Amino acid sequence: AQTVTQSQPEMSVQEAETVTLSCTYDTSENNYYLFWYKQPPSRQMILVIRQEAYKQQNATENRFSVNFQKAAKSFSLKISDSQLGDTAMYFCAFMKMNRDDKIIFGKGTRLHILP
Amino acid sequence: DSGVTQTPKHLITATGQRVTLRCSPRSGDLSVYWYQQSLDQGLQFLIQYYNGEERAKGNILERFSAQQFPDLHSELNLSSLELGDSALYFCASSVGAGEFEQYFGPGTRLTVT
Repeated sequence: AQTVTQSQPEMSVQEAETVTLSCTYDTSENNYYLFWYKQPPSRQMILVIRQEAYKQQNATENRFSVNFQKAAKSFSLKISDSQLGDTAMYFCAFMKMNRDDKIIFGKGTRLHILP
Repeated sequence: DSGVTQTPKHLITATGQRVTLRCSPRSGDLSVYWYQQSLDQGLQFLIQYYNGEERAKGNILERFSAQQFPDLHSELNLSSLELGDSALYFCASSVGAGEFEQYFGPGTRLTVT
């Protein structure tokens, strides 16, 4: 069974700083997706970034980038120039590329951006 | 706005009761997924429907059931409710199954008293 582990329950950083959220996962699959979802106080689940396991290049979306280390089964999220609106719960998630396509979520990291 | 709608937003009910949560997927999406987010269990996959048929099952209790209708909307039925069923229930949809992004609705907050 796949598992996703986020070792940082809570983090705080000053506005405009860079912050990295850690995530490790365990799977015997070779083809899969990894995601970072953001859940602000509104509770809406928002997809931040997605990485296909077969791609060596790390995904980037504006201020958000990942460091995907497939051999180490590590998938960290870097937020550059953090903004107050980045305050949220961040979930690392895994999905196999096949018929059984449920998303498996980590427990989340609560990120506070301080003014 | 993801395009996925869920009703109601909030639901308060008593133990032993039955409720129905409704989800309308994004236009064109054939797959609907249900997730439960609770404080102790985190976000867990419950069940998936694809074009009207059950596709995958997760940690869904026997007291819970779901279906997807011909117009592709889905309902999650929760019966014999217990205090521990209090949670945020999300619906997500995707175009197909297997290799498509899932878009989440705003969730239904269920409180069982």
